[in-house]
Amino acid sequence: DQQVKQNSPSLSVQEGRISILNCDYTNSMFDYFLWYKKYPAEGPTFLISISSIKDKNEDGRFTVFLNKSAKHLSLHIVPSQPGDSAVYFCAASGRNYGQNFVFGPGTRLSVLP
Amino acid sequence: DTGVSQDPRHKITKRGQNVTFRCDPISEHNRLYWYRQTLGQGPEFLTYFQNEAQLEKSRLLSDRFSAERPKGSFSTLEIQRTEQGDSAMYLCASSRSSVTYEQYFGPGTRLTVT
Repeated sequence: DQQVKQNSPSLSVQEGRISILNCDYTNSMFDYFLWYKKYPAEGPTFLISISSIKDKNEDGRFTVFLNKSAKHLSLHIVPSQPGDSAVYFCAASGRNYGQNFVFGPGTRLSVLP
Repeated sequence: DTGVSQDPRHKITKRGQNVTFRCDPISEHNRLYWYRQTLGQGPEFLTYFQNEAQLEKSRLLSDRFSAERPKGSFSTLEIQRTEQGDSAMYLCASSRSSVTYEQYFGPGTRLTVT
């Protein structure tokens, strides 16, 4: 039973356009969400996070939106660059989860030049 | 800051053998985590240490798995009597206790059990 879902295994976007990666969760106890980026042969790298008290967090080209009622979050990358091509993981945690982070299966983003 | 390092990067072993992996976290990080990742899935939490104390273990961590962090610095993950289902990438991450959600991952150890 996947508590964090990323229903698009892959996404292709033209350089300079917007990339939108989606994530859905089922557990209403989650109150903190993170996005990680992973290149081949490297470990995941923290990208951006959002607490459930907010509905938006922005860091440069990256913005995460949280819709708690829909249990949905999305990562927007604008403008997309070829170096953004990687696997993106959504992860969630909550007060009752301690240090246990639940990761989604990932979405492979390809930014085409 | 040299980042999180893991050794070895790859390990091939025969079923039934024991294996041990090492993780060296970022020096000022007092929290250390182990995850397992299989193909097409995200990392799955295995266990977590604060300093030398193992504070949380996933039910995924069977009795064949044991982790230690004896001096609160590096950690080892041992798998006894390996099975083919143990084949996976084993990831280590570390964080400062004041910023717990931002975890820094190592490159992982890929285990193949034949």
